[in-house]
Amino acid sequence: TQLLEQSPQFLSIQEGENLTVYCNSSSVFSSLQWYRQEPGEGPVLLVTVVTGGEVKKLKRLTFQFGDARKDSSLHITAAQPGDTGLYLCAGAWGQNFVFGPGTRLSVLP
Amino acid sequence: GAGVSQSPSNKVTEKGKDVELRCDPISGHTALYWYRQSLGQGLEFLIYFQGNSAPDKSGLPSDRFSAERTGGSVSTLTIQRTQQEDSAVYLCASSLVGGLNEKLFFGSGTQLSVL
Repeated sequence: TQLLEQSPQFLSIQEGENLTVYCNSSSVFSSLQWYRQEPGEGPVLLVTVVTGGEVKKLKRLTFQFGDARKDSSLHITAAQPGDTGLYLCAGAWGQNFVFGPGTRLSVLP
Repeated sequence: GAGVSQSPSNKVTEKGKDVELRCDPISGHTALYWYRQSLGQGLEFLIYFQGNSAPDKSGLPSDRFSAERTGGSVSTLTIQRTQQEDSAVYLCASSLVGGLNEKLFFGSGTQLSVL
């Protein structure tokens, strides 16, 4: 049983479209992180959210942490081929981090 | 070094053989993590080292898996009597002090294939 669920599992869109991916849990997390992973590389941190209801923007990416700190979303505006990759959410759990299974995004030119 | 370094980048071995995977964390980082990523999956926690504290081994899947961290720096993950289900990418990450809001820096991983 996964502590963190992510949806959709796969997403293929055209360049210029908007999209939202989700990270959900039945557990409360003190913080959530979003990572992007490209083939053959390790994940790279995009953002950390720590406060319920928090919204963070990183250029075309908008991250939101749910009020109850059980879920998070990542919205990408005007997606570009460079956004292609595996998007992982990770929650602080005990002394380490648990990861969701990821959303694999493909942005077609 | 500039980033987390893992070696080898690829390892092909025969079922039943032992393998050692190495991780060089970023200099000065006290926390070190090992994760496993099966094809198309998320990351599965294996083990966590923080300074001189006893490691958190709660994620190790069996007693065939072990890890050590010498001198608070380099870490080695050892898998004994490898099985085909051990095939995966093994990722190492480090962070400055290991707090729960810390940024994890990942290496590029070791792709392990057990034939």
